[in-house]
Amino acid sequence: GAVVSQHPSWVICKSGTSVKIECRSLDFQATTMFWYRQFPKQSLMLMATSNEGSKATYEQGVEKDKFLINHASLTLSTLTVTSAHPEDSSFYICSARYLAFSYNEQFFGPGTRLTVL
Amino acid sequence: AQSVTQLGSHVSVSEGALVLLRCNYSSSVPPYLFWYVQYPNQGLQLLLKYTSAATLVKGINGFEAEFKKSETSFHLTKPSAHMSDAAEYFCAVRGQGAQKLVFGQGTRLTINP
Repeated sequence: GAVVSQHPSWVICKSGTSVKIECRSLDFQATTMFWYRQFPKQSLMLMATSNEGSKATYEQGVEKDKFLINHASLTLSTLTVTSAHPEDSSFYICSARYLAFSYNEQFFGPGTRLTVL
Repeated sequence: AQSVTQLGSHVSVSEGALVLLRCNYSSSVPPYLFWYVQYPNQGLQLLLKYTSAATLVKGINGFEAEFKKSETSFHLTKPSAHMSDAAEYFCAVRGQGAQKLVFGQGTRLTINP
């Protein structure tokens, strides 16, 4: 099946710094990528949807200036958490989709655990 | 708009027993339905999906699910639980033509020896 990778798998940073998380589709071209946030023992919350070459579409309540998403190529999307604070600590998961896939199936990355001190 | 309800945030069964995880959906049009499994500190892995073909869908690891339109349900079952099945399970729905998956709250499956 299609493989999606994320880097780093975990990151610890100081409050006020920015953190970049990469999401790559390794063996297919991702026309659409999604970024999710997951708190402990909770479901996935969609943060934004990005189409290659276009600006991301953010879900209601998600700060665009706080969570910068770039989908510069068909295999790479990045999420930058700017001026991170402890409340931004969470598990961030990306997923990718290629329109030609059967029923637009999404493939998920392994996630990135962010801890802000 | 689509929505998903998973009944039971935690299900515990004995090894070898039947696993039944419940999922009910709400959708104005025939949806696509999915079951995903998540192991600790990992992403989501697709178990199976319903895409309006056969109503009984077989997935990986011995899991299957049946789409019942009259009950708006898509319950996940496995005849005999294995210790390795312990994980978090998510039901998700996406309307035809829609981009976004809508996830249920998740059900944590515990297997007792």
